Amino acid sequence: QLLLQQSGPRLVKPSETLSLTCTVSGGSIGAGPYYWGWIRQSPGKGLEWLGSIYYNGKTYYNPSFKSRVLISVDTSNTQFSLTLRSEIAADTAVFFCARHWGPPGRGGTSDSFDFWGQGTTVTVSS
Amino acid sequence: DIYMTQSPSSLSASVGDRVTITCRASESIGDRLNWYLHKSGTAPKLLIYAASRLQSGVPSRFSGGGSVTEFTLTISSLQPEDFATYYCQQSYSEVYTFGQGTKLEIK
Repeated sequence: QLLLQQSGPRLVKPSETLSLTCTVSGGSIGAGPYYWGWIRQSPGKGLEWLGSIYYNGKTYYNPSFKSRVLISVDTSNTQFSLTLRSEIAADTAVFFCARHWGPPGRGGTSDSFDFWGQGTTVTVSS
Repeated sequence: DIYMTQSPSSLSASVGDRVTITCRASESIGDRLNWYLHKSGTAPKLLIYAASRLQSGVPSRFSGGGSVTEFTLTISSLQPEDFATYYCQQSYSEVYTFGQGTKLEIK
């Protein structure tokens, strides 16, 4: 059974950078056809897709976040990571990592987030 | 972006009831519509993909329908574990978007 385990700080000061890591076990991250994404759930805006990455490092970002989101992959450690720059109070949210069939918009009818991490609540506060 | 609207936003029902949740897309998405169940503090669970295909391991009381811009999720006979928040999500465009959620509560 595929398991996605999230890790990272739960409290970030305004203007600092948030970094979260998702470690995948029970399956390979070093080959296709899967894509690995980050989604956040904030009180005011519900679920928002931030971006995704393929094992070869190709990234896909939501334009609403593109200027401050960076997603990277470390296949040797079966991990992928999220960096969100310039955190503001409105960035307080629950962050999820998830697997999907991508690439966004071209993943076919089966493209869906079929495995998710447990979620990390991140509070932005001084 | 494609905007997804769910209705109702909340719903009260009893065990054994049949319930239907609707999701509307702001433009045509074909059958690129997925449904998720989420309980606070846990990982969301994929129920239905491609509008009507039941994800492996999901009970058959869950079913999905619709196409183009209007979609439904139906639970034929509610069980205690079904009380949760449900989200639709489109995978048609290059920017994935979700509905705002429907909270299903026990009456």
